[in-house]
Amino acid sequence: GALVYQYPRRTICKSGTSMRMECQAVGFQATSVAWYRQSPQKTFELIALSTVNSAIKYEQNFTQEKFPISHPNLSFSSMTVLNAYLEDRGLYLCGARDETGVTGQLYFGEGSKLTVL
Amino acid sequence: TQTVSQSDAHVTVFEGDSVELRCNYSYGGSIYLSWYIQHHGRGLQFLLKYYSGNPVVQGVNGFEAEFSKSDSSFHLRKASVHWSDSAVYFCAASMNQGGRALIFGTGTTVSVSP
Repeated sequence: GALVYQYPRRTICKSGTSMRMECQAVGFQATSVAWYRQSPQKTFELIALSTVNSAIKYEQNFTQEKFPISHPNLSFSSMTVLNAYLEDRGLYLCGARDETGVTGQLYFGEGSKLTVL
Repeated sequence: TQTVSQSDAHVTVFEGDSVELRCNYSYGGSIYLSWYIQHHGRGLQFLLKYYSGNPVVQGVNGFEAEFSKSDSSFHLRKASVHWSDSAVYFCAASMNQGGRALIFGTGTTVSVSP
């Protein structure tokens, strides 16, 4: 079956330090990968979307300088939270779509929870 | 602006009851709609989706949802809930002009009492 693995599941870091998280699609070719942050209030914010043959598109309020993303292929993506502060805490979810086109199903990992002290 | 709204923040039902979770969207074009469930401390699990065809779609674990273009809605229903259905439910939409990212509603927490 199609699965998305994310690791680490949880990280506690000191304010001002950085945290790298990884996302791997297993069992399918991910044509696009989206990173989201779920705040403690449970709402989802789209951070960035990367699509086959296109540059990574960051949403407003999120920048490459703060959340650099690397994706050597669309089955693997990593994102770093640089200089993490309290407002960066939350659950970071990776979603990968399994076919070209808007109707492809989005599979999510279990998320990487970031706690900032 | 394309939005997804879930009017109920919290719903409490008894085991065996039916439940309907409301989702409305605002977008004038073709839209892809889906529902996800999130159990406490976990990621998102896919329940069902709609893009075209029969407006009533069946999902996993007895869930179904009905698309209504006139109401701009995609409400989720289950005829008889189980205690394990206690979770947060998210409605999500992808507009065909917006790439392939999903926009999420704010979620509805369902609490099932024995």
